[in-house]
This record gives sequence, C-alpha cells and structure tokens, in this order.
Amino acid sequence: DIQMTQSPSSLSASVGDRVTISCRASQSISSYLNWYQQKPGKPPKLLIYGASSLQSGVPSRFSGSGSGTDFTLTISSLQPEDFVTYYCQQTYISPRITFGQGTRLEIK
Amino acid sequence: EVQLLESGGGLVQPGGSLRLTCGASGFNFRSFALSWIRQAPGKGLEWVSTISGSGATTDYADSVKGRFTVSRDSSNSTLYLQMNSLRAEDTAMYYCAKVSGGYDPSDYWGQGTLVIVSS
Repeated sequence: DIQMTQSPSSLSASVGDRVTISCRASQSISSYLNWYQQKPGKPPKLLIYGASSLQSGVPSRFSGSGSGTDFTLTISSLQPEDFVTYYCQQTYISPRITFGQGTRLEIK
Repeated sequence: EVQLLESGGGLVQPGGSLRLTCGASGFNFRSFALSWIRQAPGKGLEWVSTISGSGATTDYADSVKGRFTVSRDSSNSTLYLQMNSLRAEDTAMYYCAKVSGGYDPSDYWGQGTLVIVSS
C-alpha cells in the first residue's frame, strides 16, 4: 500500500494567516491526490481533487498544488471556521485508497 | 441533491456480526462506485471496502478481508456491509461514500453509523 505522510500533525495559526499543509506519498501518485476537511462530529468534506482542482462550492481561499510525491494544501487567509482537521488521500491505486494521518489546525 | 444515509450500527460483542446499510439518492446509483470508510474514536480515516457501480468488483482492506462483505442492491439504491467475526479494533464510525470519476475522490459522504465492539 502507498503510505501518505502529512506534516505537521498540528499547526497553530491566527485568523487571517496564510498556512500550508504538506502531504508526501511513499511513491509517485501523479496527481491522484485529494484533500478533505473534517469538522468535529461531521463526515469529511472534499475540498480539492486531482491535486489542484477546487471542488464546487469550496471557497477560493483553499488551493492545492503538487504532483508525484509532494503536495501542499494552502489556505490563503484563515477564517474562524477553518480551524479543524485536514486529511490528504491518494487514489492512485484505487480503490485501495489511503489517507494521511491528519493535520489539526488550531487557533493561536 | 446527493444523499447517503447509514444505519445498522450499534453495540456488539467480540465475535458477533452486524449489517450496515447505506441508502442513496440524488444520483444514478448504478453509475458510481461506493466505499465504506471508517474512523476509530479520535483517530484518522481508514478505507474499508469499495464496490463498483455494477457490483461486479469488490475490494477490501487487509484488516477486514475474509470477515466483511460489501454488496449493493440497485433496485432500492442501497449499499450494505456485512461484518462478521467482529473485533474490538473494528470499533469506529463507519461512513459510506460515493466515488466520483476522474481522480476518484469521495465526493459525498453519509453522516456515519457507530459500531462498538465490546463485551
């Protein structure tokens, strides 16, 4: 299986900050990388698919980049509702998908 | 509007069985693969199983292979997960998710159903 490693595991920031979350795959996955946001007690919500395509309805402050093994999720200006947990997911070997361990975004 | 609604979770003893159900609406049921993804309390996301749109192809995580069986019924747009020989480590919230095309993201998720395996 392909291992996905996110960094950092947690991140403290302030409203209005620009933050980046990294995700590294154990082998090349082309652009088969998706990002999810999960709020407490809720299912994950798709933010970015294909490494850089914004899912319909997702605010434009979210963006994704990368290909091969290294990917980033960027939030350009943090809003209060953004302080939750984010996961990356590889679908290169679909359906045997794997997720990163998650990044918890906390208010500084 | 796409909707997925899971049911069937609960408390079960180790070695017991449960069948989870996921009712789907708002999309062409036969055209999309569906997955089960679980999340243990306070932990990350773990893929469990996926079934193709036709139901002809299934796949399972090694941790559940031989114990869980996924199936789907197009006549009533329902996804199932039969779970046998349950273990404490199967305790989790179980989500069903629709698999989109292209890069195969899980674009819609249900609210989840909680399975607790404990004596």
